[in-house]
Amino acid sequence: DTAVSQTPKYLVTQMGNDKSIKCEQNLGHDTMYWYKQDSKKFLKIMFSYNNKELIINETVPNRFSPKSPDKAHLNLHINSLELGDSAVYFCASSLDRTPSTDTQYFGPGTRLTVL
Amino acid sequence: AQTVTQSQPEMSVQEAETVTLSCTYDTSENNYYLFWYKQPPSRQMILVIRQEAYKQQNATENRFSVNFQKAAKSFSLKISDSQLGDTAMYFCAFPATGNQFYFGTGTSLTVIP
Repeated sequence: DTAVSQTPKYLVTQMGNDKSIKCEQNLGHDTMYWYKQDSKKFLKIMFSYNNKELIINETVPNRFSPKSPDKAHLNLHINSLELGDSAVYFCASSLDRTPSTDTQYFGPGTRLTVL
Repeated sequence: AQTVTQSQPEMSVQEAETVTLSCTYDTSENNYYLFWYKQPPSRQMILVIRQEAYKQQNATENRFSVNFQKAAKSFSLKISDSQLGDTAMYFCAFPATGNQFYFGTGTSLTVIP
């Protein structure tokens, strides 16, 4: 049973396109996150959602927009893709809304390549 | 400023030997957890071990254990009886104020047969 799943695993697209990455968790967690891992393996949190409420919004370009239809799903939509958006994007979830005392579980990642 | 530092970009260890990965951090939080995650070539981020800062006892999970020094803000990971499957990137992670969550830059560990 997959706890946190992401689709697609690989995404190759042209500059300027709009794309979405989907994330689903079946752990019954209340909070979900999106991270970006760059080519140097550096992981940075982008967003988190708790019960449809955005509680973290890092200084990411507004071309990135998280969308959560329900607490089990947090999709990432990216408009007007740029070369610098190429990275691995991880979805994660945790039981509570307080990262300081909660464990995050990660999806398998989506490797996005912008040509 | 909230920071986390992994000073060993790459390490190697002989199979069956013991290796220690270091991590230091800085936080103004009082009650927090610390984490080590493993990322093998498959890219999956896997939780290795978690330490609760208010507990003095070091966490242990089978061959993995931590040496947590709260005053020194040090959180090292010890892997005993290293196995080939331990080859991976290892990230130290900790929470920071404002619901932030930071990862270190990672240590690439290679287990040599």
